[in-house]
Amino acid sequence: QVHLQQWDPGLLKPSETLSLTCAVNGGSFSSYYWSWIRQPPGKRLEWIGEINEGGSTNYNPSLKSRVTMSVDRSKKQVSLRLSSVTAADAGVYYCARGVNTGYVGSFFDYWGQGALVAVSS
Amino acid sequence: DIQMTQSPSSLSASVGDRVTITCRASQNMNSYLNWYQKKAGKAPKLLIYGASSLQSGVPSRFSGSRSGTDFTLTISSLQPEDFATYYCQQSYSAPHSFGQGTKLEIK
Repeated sequence: QVHLQQWDPGLLKPSETLSLTCAVNGGSFSSYYWSWIRQPPGKRLEWIGEINEGGSTNYNPSLKSRVTMSVDRSKKQVSLRLSSVTAADAGVYYCARGVNTGYVGSFFDYWGQGALVAVSS
Repeated sequence: DIQMTQSPSSLSASVGDRVTITCRASQNMNSYLNWYQKKAGKAPKLLIYGASSLQSGVPSRFSGSRSGTDFTLTISSLQPEDFATYYCQQSYSAPHSFGQGTKLEIK
């Protein structure tokens, strides 16, 4: 059984850097893209970007200048760093496993429980 | 970027009702469309992928279809556990965008 474990980062101040980690328990770590997705309060889900086991990344252009994703294959963990946070970056951040079907696109089949990000001075 | 627009934004229905939620894409994206169910405080759950393929373990009362750039999620007979918010998501091109959600409430 696949389980994605996340941790809350604690309260952030504006201009600080958000750091999140997602640990993958069970299942294979390779052959998938690992995505970060967030949801600000009262808003739609927003895809932040993805990374694969080899470290190849694909970021949402709207956040690209502030986002860095990394992977630790030995620990089966993926990480997200978002710099210069503001109140607009508050919300719940999810990691999710991306599966590529090869013929009807990809989907997210396993999700972490979410990490609550609060930004306040 | 592909824009995804869901309708309605909210919907009231009763147990046993048949419910349809629509998602319209801003451009052609073949069948690269997924549906998720989200409950408050929980992560989204995949229901349908590729517009019409039922994810393993999801009840057969859920179904999906496509007509051009319009996609539909149908729940054939609402159960109490189905009251939640539903999101569509396109995987045709990055960034992989979501609809604004449809909140399904008990009438």
